[in-house]
Amino acid sequence: EVQLLESGGGLVQPGGSLRLSCAASGFTFGSYAMSWVRQAPGKGLEWVSSIRGSGDTTYYADSVKGRFTISRDNSKNTVYLQMDSLRAEDTAVYYCAKAWAGWYPLDYWGQGTLVTVSS
Amino acid sequence: EVVLTQSPATVSLSPGERATLSCRASQSVSSFLAWYQQKPGQAPRLLIYDALHRATGIPARFSGSGSGTDFTLTISSVEPEDFAVYFCQQRAIWPPITFGQGTRLEI
Repeated sequence: EVQLLESGGGLVQPGGSLRLSCAASGFTFGSYAMSWVRQAPGKGLEWVSSIRGSGDTTYYADSVKGRFTISRDNSKNTVYLQMDSLRAEDTAVYYCAKAWAGWYPLDYWGQGTLVTVSS
Repeated sequence: EVVLTQSPATVSLSPGERATLSCRASQSVSSFLAWYQQKPGQAPRLLIYDALHRATGIPARFSGSGSGTDFTLTISSVEPEDFAVYFCQQRAIWPPITFGQGTRLEI
């Protein structure tokens, strides 16, 4: 059974940093691209970042480029999202998701972790 | 960036009725379009990919159609558990992957 478990969310002040983790199990982790998608309270879904299975290719939304870094450790079956220079508009539930083939579609999602940026 | 526009924003139906949800792309995305269902407090769930293929375990009452810029998600006979928000997503022209703003299916 595929499972994705996010952790690392919480309350952080504007300008601060946070690192999210997503621990995966139930599939050959290194063979699949992973993505982070966020959802602000009461809003829709916003793609944040994706990383290839090998870790050598990454993509970012313009809204986070230069502030967020996606990475993965295939020996630990974990994908990370390092978030720096956080802003109030980054407040959201952050989901990690597994790609079914290539980069899309996103066939399994974690339950999400809430990041709140506020003073 | 490809903008996906979903309509209507909200659709109100009774169990047993047919639901038709629309997703229109600002430019052609070929058939690289997926649909997701999200219930309150839960993560999204993949329903349809490549416009018309049901994901594993998705009931046959869910079907997708369309190509290019116009897509439809149809629920042939709405069940009580189908009341949720539905999002479309494209990856034909990316980054960025983009999502529609969602359609709420309510009782």
